[in-house]
Amino acid sequence: EDQVTQSPEALRLQEGESSSLNCSYTVSGLRGLFWYRQDPGKGPEFLFTLYSAGEEKEKERLKATLTKKESFLHITAPKPEDSATYLCAVRGQNFVFGPGTRLSVLP
Amino acid sequence: NAGVTQTPKFQVLKTGQSMTLQCAQDMNHNSMYWYRQDPGMGLRLIYYSASEGTTDKGEVPNGYNVSRLNKREFSLRLESAAPSQTSVYFCASRDRGNYEQYFGPGTRLTVT
Repeated sequence: EDQVTQSPEALRLQEGESSSLNCSYTVSGLRGLFWYRQDPGKGPEFLFTLYSAGEEKEKERLKATLTKKESFLHITAPKPEDSATYLCAVRGQNFVFGPGTRLSVLP
Repeated sequence: NAGVTQTPKFQVLKTGQSMTLQCAQDMNHNSMYWYRQDPGMGLRLIYYSASEGTTDKGEVPNGYNVSRLNKREFSLRLESAAPSQTSVYFCASRDRGNYEQYFGPGTRLTVT
């Protein structure tokens, strides 16, 4: 059975304090790993797709990396507007989402 | 270009009542999805439609039915609502050959 776990459940950072979010997965036949951002009361917003181990994608202060068992979302010098829940998902037979990491960046 | 739209935004039902959640996309996508999101759990797939005229069950289909009305619209029906169906429901779509999904704003449903 395909599974996705994310850690930590919640993370509080000071503005400018870099950190990483973890997504661990088990899937038979990975067809893609996805990162989404979700703001309170809104639908998830697509950030990145990674397809193979060693791949990296960057967007502003975010960088996503992928290994055979996990993915990391690195946040460099975060700002308060980066506060959101970050969701990880994999595509095997179907899409499976993790429970998310709730990130708070304090000014 | 509105993307994915959902109606209603909020709904309160009594146990046993029925209702239909509406979803439409204007991106000419082939595939559409219905998810539910509960606290502490990931989005869980209820039903999906790979193309107009086809629908398939996801992880949690019991108590729900769907209709792919045309390429743009995909509705989710609760025939007899139960308190366990209290959740936030999201519709999503994606283009063929591309696994990136685009989500609507969600419908917050409470069943009392």
